[in-house]
Amino acid sequence: NAGVMQNPRHLVRRRGQEARLRCSPMKGHSHVYWYRQLPEEGLKFMVYLQKENIIDESGMPKERFSAEFPKEGPSILRIQQVVRGDSAAYFCASSPTRSEPGQGTGNTIYFGEGSWLTVV
Amino acid sequence: TQLLEQSPQFLSIQEGENLTVYCNSSSVFSSLQWYRQEPGEGPVLLVTVVTGGEVKKLKRLTFQFGDARKDSSLHITAAQPGDTGLYLCAGPYNQGGKLIFGQGTELSVKP
Repeated sequence: NAGVMQNPRHLVRRRGQEARLRCSPMKGHSHVYWYRQLPEEGLKFMVYLQKENIIDESGMPKERFSAEFPKEGPSILRIQQVVRGDSAAYFCASSPTRSEPGQGTGNTIYFGEGSWLTVV
Repeated sequence: TQLLEQSPQFLSIQEGENLTVYCNSSSVFSSLQWYRQEPGEGPVLLVTVVTGGEVKKLKRLTFQFGDARKDSSLHITAAQPGDTGLYLCAGPYNQGGKLIFGQGTELSVKP
């Protein structure tokens, strides 16, 4: 997972505040994914973005959550008016523009080290 | 909906023992991946299996993809405390890199 940079690594927010999580993909990767890991649960897909486009946001909560991946700069996952249930580890992943050899029909994705959000 | 079921959910063993973790689905996957995650860190890719019946080895870890590409297993020989961690299987959902994850197997190897 070397190369996918997430910050902040740890973030504490009071209920009602906004949380912004940033992700810089590996060099040469233009596909970014956000996953959420709640305590005692597995990783759940949230959103898939390419530069300036949201490709699949089927895992995003309908309200308060948004994501972007601008032409320049990192991808941002934004959570407005946070609630305690938003406390979780948020992982960003990136993949290359083309499928890697031997990886079947999908791209191999590489994960960052995560951002741990705590809502108090 | 494609689901991946992992078993066991928790496993606590002594150093030197062997173990097998299973990842099962009723759906066919084009490939399956195994990740290891340590506390406070992100998942790290261990292996990707692509062909039905494929076996891949990574030192003391042996990964197998079922003939029908619906299941996979991870076998660890002579487990060591450094193997402790959360092991996750994952498979692609549609194309484009979106992954579905199993709920994970929490492995603890005691010295």
